[in-house]
Amino acid sequence: DVKVTQSSRYLVKRTGEKVFLECVQDMDHENMFWYRQDPGLGLRLIYFSYDVKMKEKGDIPEGYSVSREKKERFSLILESASTNQTSMYLCASSLRFRTPTYEQYFGPGTRLTVT
Amino acid sequence: RKEVEQDPGPFNVPEGATVAFNCTYSNSASQSFFWYRQDCRKEPKLLMSVYSSGNEDGRFTAQLNRASQYISLLIRDSKLSDSATYLCVVNPVYNQGGKLIFGQGTELSVKP
Repeated sequence: DVKVTQSSRYLVKRTGEKVFLECVQDMDHENMFWYRQDPGLGLRLIYFSYDVKMKEKGDIPEGYSVSREKKERFSLILESASTNQTSMYLCASSLRFRTPTYEQYFGPGTRLTVT
Repeated sequence: RKEVEQDPGPFNVPEGATVAFNCTYSNSASQSFFWYRQDCRKEPKLLMSVYSSGNEDGRFTAQLNRASQYISLLIRDSKLSDSATYLCVVNPVYNQGGKLIFGQGTELSVKP
């Protein structure tokens, strides 16, 4: 059974703190993604990675950075958390090749609240 | 203009009803299309792909109209368990490596 796990389901941080969100997949997928999901705005891509040490900006990268040191792990970093980063964060992974659908498998999400 | 647009709903329907969701996309070069389902407080999951000829999976039928850049999802004989948010998803560029564009979702609530 495919599995994407995220380090926390709920997280509360203070403004200005550095926040790490971890994502691990056990499917040997090349692609990994970080999204945030907000009411009325849907899923918005923050960053994605198609290989170890590779990263590309998505639609809303400002205020975020990422790290992919191992194929199975993709970390999202909020360098200095702000209240407008309060959101649901979803990690996903997918195959890069040999797939007709590029189906993305999502983790359960981390609900981050910045106070 | 958003790349993928959906009516956010909510659609409130009785059990047994037929309901249809629509979606439009802006990039005419888009290659492939999907519907994902997201239950309340859960992660999105692939429901079905959408093919030009139309395709059916049980009570679910998906259609694609490339000329109008329009995708639809029809659910027949709605069940309570169909209550969820349905996301229209587009793969915008051939072999871009898997980046998908998600619509904001259409919420469906099926009532007894």
